[in-house]
Amino acid sequence: GESVGLHLPTLSVQEGDNSIINCAYSNSASDYFIWYKQESGKGPQFIIDIRSNMDKRQGQRVTVLLNKTVKHLSLQIAATQPGDSAVYFCAENTGNRKLIWGLGTSLAVNP
Amino acid sequence: KAGVTQTPRYLIKTRGQQVTLSCSPISGHRSVSWYQQTPGQGLQFLFEYFSETQRNKGNFPGRFSGRQFSNSRSEMNVSTLELGDSALYLCASSLAMGPGNEKLFFGSGTQLSVL
Repeated sequence: GESVGLHLPTLSVQEGDNSIINCAYSNSASDYFIWYKQESGKGPQFIIDIRSNMDKRQGQRVTVLLNKTVKHLSLQIAATQPGDSAVYFCAENTGNRKLIWGLGTSLAVNP
Repeated sequence: KAGVTQTPRYLIKTRGQQVTLSCSPISGHRSVSWYQQTPGQGLQFLFEYFSETQRNKGNFPGRFSGRQFSNSRSEMNVSTLELGDSALYLCASSLAMGPGNEKLFFGSGTQLSVL
């Protein structure tokens, strides 16, 4: 399944499928991007980050892709599991150490 | 190693009152930042403290203030509460570089309701 961030704030996928969560960032000068996952009743939890000198970075079951030409960031989750159900936020560092956060995409995994 | 601890977990106040929220960072972390989270606005940066000094601040009115102690624990205060201050207040700690340069570790937040 695939979302377009603010345009489709809810993404529903079947367990075992791959998920793609998209994020459009605002500042072409941003040099650091980060994805967080927030489960109900908890604070955000770090997933993966990427610096602007990279196009791709892989973690455990997750991959972040950065397209600076169109200011687009995506998070790919392989073999989505019920425990992946959460709200996913992207954030960008515009250079002033504040981080600008997206509004989030809710991922629902159906068993 | 214990995570970021925020107290209290829930708080109900009335308009005009003031409130103090507490945050204990992960041991060894010197940067503490605070965020306000609401459904409509997402996470909004309030301020960041490092070595007892405010290193950065967001665009919130002066009613929102904070401080950091020598053991890196931090408090934030909101005076003259307004209905619009109802939100989840999150504290995050990191080693030293702060938001935008290293990953943050968040507490579970304090849910503030202003009646």
